Amino acid sequence: QVQLQESGPGLVKPSETLSLTCTVSGGSINTYHWAWIRQPPGKGLEQIGYVYDTGNGHYNPSLKSRVTISLDTAKNQFSLRLNSVTAADTAIYYCGRLRLTRGIDSWGQGALVTVSS
Amino acid sequence: SSELTQDPAVSVTLGQPVRITCQGDSLRNSYASWYQQKPGQAPLLVIFGRNNRPSGIPDRFSGSSSGNTASLIITGAQAEDEADYYCHCQDNNVPHWVFGGGTQLTVL
Repeated sequence: QVQLQESGPGLVKPSETLSLTCTVSGGSINTYHWAWIRQPPGKGLEQIGYVYDTGNGHYNPSLKSRVTISLDTAKNQFSLRLNSVTAADTAIYYCGRLRLTRGIDSWGQGALVTVSS
Repeated sequence: SSELTQDPAVSVTLGQPVRITCQGDSLRNSYASWYQQKPGQAPLLVIFGRNNRPSGIPDRFSGSSSGNTASLIITGAQAEDEADYYCHCQDNNVPHWVFGGGTQLTVL
């Protein structure tokens, strides 16, 4: 049973870069696709993007200019970087395993990131 | 990117069936996945593909699709089914996945 755990700062200043890491256990990161999703407080889910075993990523068009998702196969981790954050980027950030025929079948518990000075 | 539209809120009487719908052009070419999210918890996949349930999901949950509309059906809703439900599918135009806005299900 694969398990995912998000980690990173819970508070980021406006205009700075949000960085989160997802550690995958119970399975290799070399297979499947790996996604980041976020949920502003009291609102719905938004997929940020995903990366797959070649290291290539596909991103939400509305965030594409600010986002990078990368793989670290040696550590069995993948990471999210979101540049130039504003208060609108305040959200719970989830990492997940994306299977193209199923959707996101495994989720991390989520990490709240607040953008504030 | 394409959008997926869901009713914001639906209610059902305990033990009765309920259908939650999701509309969007992407659904003409892709099946929706459905997630259940309870307060303070991560979403949980309940239906994927044509009509498949992950291990551990009760068989009262099922899915269907027609044209640009996908549906999540709960036959005999239980109190523990009260949650937010989201549809999710691959966008037609770009290699990206989109979520519906979510439906809050109340079990009366």
